Amino acid sequence: ETGVTQTPRHLVMGMTNKKSLKCEQHLGHNAMYWYKQSAKKPLELMFVYNFKEQTENNSVPSRFSPECPNSSHLFLHLHTLQPEDSALYLCASSQVGGGDTQYFGPGTRLLVL
Amino acid sequence: AQSVSQHNHHVILSEAASLELGCNYSYGGTVNLFWYVQYPGQHLQLLLKYFSGDPLVKGIKGFEAEFIKSKFSFNLRKPSVQWSDTAEYFCAVTLNTAGTYKYIFGTGTRLKVLA
Repeated sequence: ETGVTQTPRHLVMGMTNKKSLKCEQHLGHNAMYWYKQSAKKPLELMFVYNFKEQTENNSVPSRFSPECPNSSHLFLHLHTLQPEDSALYLCASSQVGGGDTQYFGPGTRLLVL
Repeated sequence: AQSVSQHNHHVILSEAASLELGCNYSYGGTVNLFWYVQYPGQHLQLLLKYFSGDPLVKGIKGFEAEFIKSKFSFNLRKPSVQWSDTAEYFCAVTLNTAGTYKYIFGTGTRLKVLA
């Protein structure tokens, strides 16, 4: 059991739907991250938030929209996704966003039809 | 561009065999190095890390890794694997470029240990 939870664990959505992924960390950390994990590819860092401020956006398409209302919660809003966006989306947190150890959630398995 | 290479995508060993998983990175500056492990049905979790000091670091469950700066490598080793070591192993690097931290993962190595 880790201190990072993600909901939902599985999500199937059509290309015209709007959905949101939620991440919560109970570790008192100040940095949170979204990663995309696709088969046979390295984990791709999508967004980094440090003390609620977005500090990194790795050229992620605008159909992915992150939100960090406080240091414990992170959302990923999804709209008009493509089938190639189907993947496992992982949330992680760390004490600060300075290259420290990251603690991962279980992920949300997303399928876009 | 910076990258992390894990050359072995799948490894199958018998129990008690020795393990070495390769990890190389491409960046000439200061790095933090990690090995993460994902056991079947579980979250990614830290196995060990290197920030500075002794280049031979020891982690949980008898794993160790050696940082060789001249080879840009951080290979993971275990002298005698167990069936419970069956998992996927990820090497990761964090580096600081122009004041911004980058987090780069390898593609992972799936290890299967036969009982």
